[in-house]
Amino acid sequence: EIVLTQSPGTLSLSPGERATLSCRASQSVSNRYLAWYQQKPGQAPRLLIYGASSRATGIPDRFSGSGSGTEFTLIISRLEPEDFAVYYCQQLGSFGGGTKVEIK
Amino acid sequence: QLQLQESGPGLVKPSETLSLTCTVSGGSISSSPHYWVWIRQPPGKGLEWIGSIYYRGSTYYNPSLKSRLTISVDTSKNHFSLTLSSVTAADTAVYFCARKNRRDADDAFDIWGQGTMVTVSS
Repeated sequence: EIVLTQSPGTLSLSPGERATLSCRASQSVSNRYLAWYQQKPGQAPRLLIYGASSRATGIPDRFSGSGSGTEFTLIISRLEPEDFAVYYCQQLGSFGGGTKVEIK
Repeated sequence: QLQLQESGPGLVKPSETLSLTCTVSGGSISSSPHYWVWIRQPPGKGLEWIGSIYYRGSTYYNPSLKSRLTISVDTSKNHFSLTLSSVTAADTAVYFCARKNRRDADDAFDIWGQGTMVTVSS
């Protein structure tokens, strides 16, 4: 079973700043199956990135994904007020523990 | 526009069976090559993949739940279902259904239901 470890657990930033979120896999995984989701309180997760770097339909270009092997990154280039949320990476049947992006 | 909606009891007694249904609207559950999945989230915690099913009936289960879990599909009703037996307080969670898009989203979960809270308590 692949374990996905996300860091940091919490990221405190101000609107307009850049957010860098990390997802590390316990063993090498295919880029094709690495996805990122955003979840706001009381809502279902929303798909942001699939295939490690492809933006889902309707996702703004300030969100970008990259990485390969065991190291993957989600970058939010300039935080908007609506971007403060919890972010999860996922690969097939495994989810990371999440990174909370909060307002500093 | 495809939509998913979970339904089922919000309260289940310990040792009993939890049963939920996800109804697909705006599209067909028989749409190849997508899979249909269940995911849960305990209060204040992260996401856990429960299992998935193809419209022809093939299933994949989380090994930690496999002994208690059944996922089924009814194409005539355009819905799929989850049953989890011998529940305990640890099964208390928001249960989501979702579509696993195998055509153009590299197996990611691209459409989600709103989720339904299930509490296990006597």
